[in-house]
Amino acid sequence: DSGVTQTPKHLITATGQRVTLRCSPRSGDLSVYWYQQSLDQGLQFLIQYYNGEERAKGNILERFSAQQFPDLHSELNLSSLELGDSALYFCASSVRLGAGNTIYFGEGSWLTVV
Amino acid sequence: GQQVMQIPQYQHVQEGEDFTTYCNSSTTLSNIQWYKQRPGGHPVFLIQLVKSGEVKKQKRLTFQFGEAKKNSSLHITATQTTDVGTYFCAGPKGTASKLTFGTGTRLQVTL
Repeated sequence: DSGVTQTPKHLITATGQRVTLRCSPRSGDLSVYWYQQSLDQGLQFLIQYYNGEERAKGNILERFSAQQFPDLHSELNLSSLELGDSALYFCASSVRLGAGNTIYFGEGSWLTVV
Repeated sequence: GQQVMQIPQYQHVQEGEDFTTYCNSSTTLSNIQWYKQRPGGHPVFLIQLVKSGEVKKQKRLTFQFGEAKKNSSLHITATQTTDVGTYFCAGPKGTASKLTFGTGTRLQVTL
């Protein structure tokens, strides 16, 4: 158990819909990351927050957005869903911001768009 | 942008054989981390290398960071079925702690 909690674990939704994935980082971790992993694909970085502020952005689609709240939990919002958005979405957290921090992954949220 | 490639993409070995995966970055890395993802699981941190030429061992796993800090390798001696999974290297990109993950090497071990 990494200490990073993600909900829901599984989600099936229709194209065009909107979903919200939730993440609670490890106790004491200020930085939260979101990664997308499609079938047989690697880990694609989406976005990073540190203490409530966006700090880095990857190839995140405009239909996707995220935020980190004052209690440090984070949400990833996916809208106008397409079949290609079906993937495993990981949240991860680390204590600090800076190169070399180990990041701890949650178990992921499986999103299936039908 | 920074690319981190791993080879091979996939390797199938018999239990007891050795296995090596190589990680190559297009830019110099301040450090490199290795993660293992079991089938159906999430990536789990294995180790971090920081110094040029550094070698670290964890039981049957040997990790090496290249002298130029642009490549790394993970070698597993005498593989076991518990070694099955995908091994990712990852390096920080830019000043933020965002980790760029390699493409991964999927290891399959059979008896």
